[in-house]
Amino acid sequence: SAVISQKPSRDICQRGTSLTIQCQVDSQVTMMFWYRQQPGQSLTLIATANQGSEATYESGFVIDKFPISRPNLTFSTLTVSNMSPEDSSIYLCSVVRDTQYFGPGTRLTVL
Amino acid sequence: QKEVEQNSGPLSVPEGAIASLNCTYSDRGSQSFFWYRQYSGKSPELIMSIYSNGDQEDGRFTAQLNKASQYVSLLIRDSQPSDSATYLCAVKPQGGSEKLVFGKGTKLTVNP
Repeated sequence: SAVISQKPSRDICQRGTSLTIQCQVDSQVTMMFWYRQQPGQSLTLIATANQGSEATYESGFVIDKFPISRPNLTFSTLTVSNMSPEDSSIYLCSVVRDTQYFGPGTRLTVL
Repeated sequence: QKEVEQNSGPLSVPEGAIASLNCTYSDRGSQSFFWYRQYSGKSPELIMSIYSNGDQEDGRFTAQLNKASQYVSLLIRDSQPSDSATYLCAVKPQGGSEKLVFGKGTKLTVNP
């Protein structure tokens, strides 16, 4: 298994601002992903966080809006930039060991 | 576009009954299939994985896979109120990536 923590667990933000979400894993992992879960919806993959190189974004997601850092094999950040109410979601990081495990999520509300 | 379809429900069953959850997927080359359980306000947790045709059992849970029909199901025997949650079907498409494609989930309620 994997022990994953995320900070913050929740936040309420004003439109136009940015929020950085942190994901910390208990030991080194190669694969780390960021997902979004909009209200009442399933999980949508935002990007793969690559250690030492730029993240790989899925269709519909761009680096300017969701910049990602992965400075080492246990840590990553996702920034939600220039937020609008449509960005209100739960943001989850996940890691792959024998299978894919999810962090506890960050519940973001944008007013 | 790789898709995973689930009946969104809600599905309501009495305590002790069998709950049956279904999922279809579009990528015929997919090799790995997963069921996650998500309690309200919590993150998904893996409950079953299945990789080959047939049944895979773990306690009260049985996953069934039919690749020819591109169909995956999850049976929960002797359903308990604590099983009330949203169940997400996830598929790893062919191509070697670890990325998962999720269905929208089926909300299950087990009534005491």
